[in-house]
Amino acid sequence: DAGITQSPRHKVTETGTPVTLRCHQTENHRYMYWYRQDPGHGLRLIHYSYGVKDTDKGEVSDGYSVSRSKTEDFLLTLESATSSQTSVYFCATKTQPSGQETQYFGPGTRLLVL
Amino acid sequence: DAKTTQPPSMDCAEGRAANLPCNHSTISGNEYVYWYRQIHSQGPQYIIHGLKNNETNEMASLIITEDRKSSTLILPHATLRDTAVYYCIVRVATNNAGNMLTFGGGTRLMVKP
Repeated sequence: DAGITQSPRHKVTETGTPVTLRCHQTENHRYMYWYRQDPGHGLRLIHYSYGVKDTDKGEVSDGYSVSRSKTEDFLLTLESATSSQTSVYFCATKTQPSGQETQYFGPGTRLLVL
Repeated sequence: DAKTTQPPSMDCAEGRAANLPCNHSTISGNEYVYWYRQIHSQGPQYIIHGLKNNETNEMASLIITEDRKSSTLILPHATLRDTAVYYCIVRVATNNAGNMLTFGGGTRLMVKP
């Protein structure tokens, strides 16, 4: 695995509060991704990054923002958390888009928005 | 991307080979077959991938039929720690960094003592 850690691993928050999730990798992978996983929906891409300060939206980006100021860190921010954002969030990395979809996933963050 | 069909669940005895099938009858010539698994409460884990030829690594073997319409993931000596949901994914090779992985229902493999 690509030395991916996520913090916090569990979080309970209230509706309307901002929340930031952190993904940290030690393998110097260029590409990083944030997914959410919900029952009945599988994994859905929120945002991704193709380099420092280079990010783009995924399938379900509304209500989320990201930042990547260093290669090793990719932050996901819920600007004003809602109950619909209760989910398990996974970070993933990939070395380069060589045409191979080999992504390495972190352990996940379980977020509960009350 | 081609659609895949997997059995929803399978059992396997510990120490025996686990053979997980995947049907991808609409696969096109430039699509790869990937296998990932997700152990309960963990992130998905890459296992193996292939295009045409059979592939083997330290985790598993991938057998792709000659017509490429189906494949089988083989865990040669299943252990209790192999209990997980296994996902077969068919993807076009692309340089688009924003391509997301699409996980279907997968096969829930239960390895029993």
